[in-house]
Amino acid sequence: QKEVEQDPGPLSVPEGAIVSLNCTYSNSAFQYFMWYRQYSRKGPELLMYTYSSGNKEDGRFTAQVDKSSKYISLFIRDSQPSDSATYLCAMSSLGSSASKIIFGSGTRLSIRP
Amino acid sequence: EAGVVQSPRYKIIEKKQPVAFWCNPISGHNTLYWYLQNLGQGPELLIRYENEEAVDDSQLPKDRFSAERLKGVDSTLKIQPAELGDSAVYLCASSLGPPGEYGYTFGSGTRLTVV
Repeated sequence: QKEVEQDPGPLSVPEGAIVSLNCTYSNSAFQYFMWYRQYSRKGPELLMYTYSSGNKEDGRFTAQVDKSSKYISLFIRDSQPSDSATYLCAMSSLGSSASKIIFGSGTRLSIRP
Repeated sequence: EAGVVQSPRYKIIEKKQPVAFWCNPISGHNTLYWYLQNLGQGPELLIRYENEEAVDDSQLPKDRFSAERLKGVDSTLKIQPAELGDSAVYLCASSLGPPGEYGYTFGSGTRLTVV
């Protein structure tokens, strides 16, 4: 079993819809939770970052972490065609292993105009 | 500020040939990472450097892969000899501090095709 599980999609929604992307994980030591966005033929770029449990909002994006369920989510409101990309969840733990991030396999998202 | 720069962007080689990838991290980022990304998968760590020192190379296939980071700045990843299964995107990333707190900045990657 992988430490981080993510549905690969693809997920296709119409422009303006609310998008929900999710990941589950098995390592209870994870404390830092991130979402990266990766456009085709580009490297991943950090989109959202959350420490421990709770919600974080940044414009149209909201990240949620539920450590009791080992479940994290990214919500995109008023989705735009420019949001079409692969979204990777990522996690890291404290201590020396904090210097390594474990990535999910990514969810391909397509926003239809 | 320039981001993480990688070259070449694309490389096609025949199996059993050597290949090298180069990475220039963001200025001031002491931590450098090489990741491997297969199609439809997330990046997987190959090696992590703190300045010149490789502090985590447990996932690097040392029989054919090698890496160096001279003077704690630029880094080179080498494969010799390349195998068909090495076809993937090789990503370099750098970080200002513990990535759990700072995240990574990735380069655009080198897409390797071994034929």
